[in-house]
Amino acid sequence: GNSVTQMEGPVTLSEEAFLTINCTYTATGYPSLFWYVQYPGEGLQLLLKATKADDKGSNKGFEATYRKETTSFHLEKGSVQVSDSAVYFCALSVAGSARQLTFGSGTQLTVLP
Amino acid sequence: ETGVTQSPTHLIKTRGQQVTLRCSSQSGHNTVSWYQQALGQGPQFIFQYYREEENGRGNFPPRFSGLQFPNYSSELNVNALELDDSALYLCASSYKDRGSSYNEQFFGPGTRLTVL
Repeated sequence: GNSVTQMEGPVTLSEEAFLTINCTYTATGYPSLFWYVQYPGEGLQLLLKATKADDKGSNKGFEATYRKETTSFHLEKGSVQVSDSAVYFCALSVAGSARQLTFGSGTQLTVLP
Repeated sequence: ETGVTQSPTHLIKTRGQQVTLRCSSQSGHNTVSWYQQALGQGPQFIFQYYREEENGRGNFPPRFSGLQFPNYSSELNVNALELDDSALYLCASSYKDRGSSYNEQFFGPGTRLTVL
């Protein structure tokens, strides 16, 4: 089956620190990979995506590279801000009828000023 | 362009009751997916509706059912509510094109269901 494993949280960083949130996956076939962000009291927002091996997704200073050899899609940002405080979810979708998203358990990030 | 909207925002029910949650898809989208997000967990896929028919289902019992209407809005119905059904229910809409490798899903803010 398909599954996503994220690093355990919560993660607390100081403003301008470097962020890495690890994500590995297991999938049948060739998945598309996503990072979603959930701010308090809100639904999920797509942060970035990559649809094939070696693709790099990027948005708002966040980056993640689709690594097929290590089945990973780690999220990075060089300098976090207080406004980045949220829950981050790694997810995958495989080709098929529904192409539903399979999510990891989420990583809570808190950035302190 | 109107995004995905859900109603109600919050709902409190008791065990054994039935509940209906509603979702309006984003303009131009023809597919609606429903997810259950328990506290502190990632969302779990319930089912998807495409052109008014169920187009895939996750590991949820038959008491979870749904509908999609001609305007592509959707309902999620849950019968015989259990305490474990307490969760945030998320709706996501997308445009399904059989020729594409993925279809980006846009999420609504969710309905928080509490079962007492």
